[in-house]
Amino acid sequence: SQQGEEDPQALSIQEGENATMNCSYKTSINNLQWYRQNSGRGLVHLILIRSNEREKHSGRLRVTLDTSKKSSSLLITASRAADTASYFCATMGGGNKLTFGTGTQLKVEL
Amino acid sequence: DARVTQTPRHKVTEMGQEVTMRCQPILGHNTVFWYRQTMMQGLELLAYFRNRAPLDDSGMPKDRFSAEMPDATLATLKIQPSEPRDSAVYFCASGLPTPGGETQYFGPGTRLLVL
Repeated sequence: SQQGEEDPQALSIQEGENATMNCSYKTSINNLQWYRQNSGRGLVHLILIRSNEREKHSGRLRVTLDTSKKSSSLLITASRAADTASYFCATMGGGNKLTFGTGTQLKVEL
Repeated sequence: DARVTQTPRHKVTEMGQEVTMRCQPILGHNTVFWYRQTMMQGLELLAYFRNRAPLDDSGMPKDRFSAEMPDATLATLKIQPSEPRDSAVYFCASGLPTPGGETQYFGPGTRLLVL
């Protein structure tokens, strides 16, 4: 079963714009992670944010976590065509199991 | 550059045949996961192992699926007999638990089509 619901399901922007994706989840977590999947490929880990953290940065990525609202957001700044991919949030509770969301398909157009 | 490898990358088979998928985790990783991805269900965890011992296989149909780790460098997922509804992409991932959380490293997947 999927823990996370992502919003929007699909997003199309122009190169240079910012892209924001949201993730909501249902149960308590130890951490939340974001992964990227290019078409036909495996998932690639982007960033991990712990339950006691509120914001984290990595290059052009900014992730926020609001445990009171059980939600997270991923912001990609100054998007590039190479950022075109599906983005998944995944929550980790006890036992080191990841439960993935439904994903957001991002298309960055030139 | 350490990577998770999976074989075969593609498999087409007929209903009723046995399918075996193999995964080589990253050397030193002690946790191995099997996922299935379909358009309808998204990414589902089928099973996972730590130190070669199965910890959770509740996501796996037990009557036809089996997962094993014969040694630390090989994980297998078998389907016998296969059915058309098993058509999906099967991913293996490996990881190493740390106090801050565990990142999973995914293989390229096995794309399975059961006719």
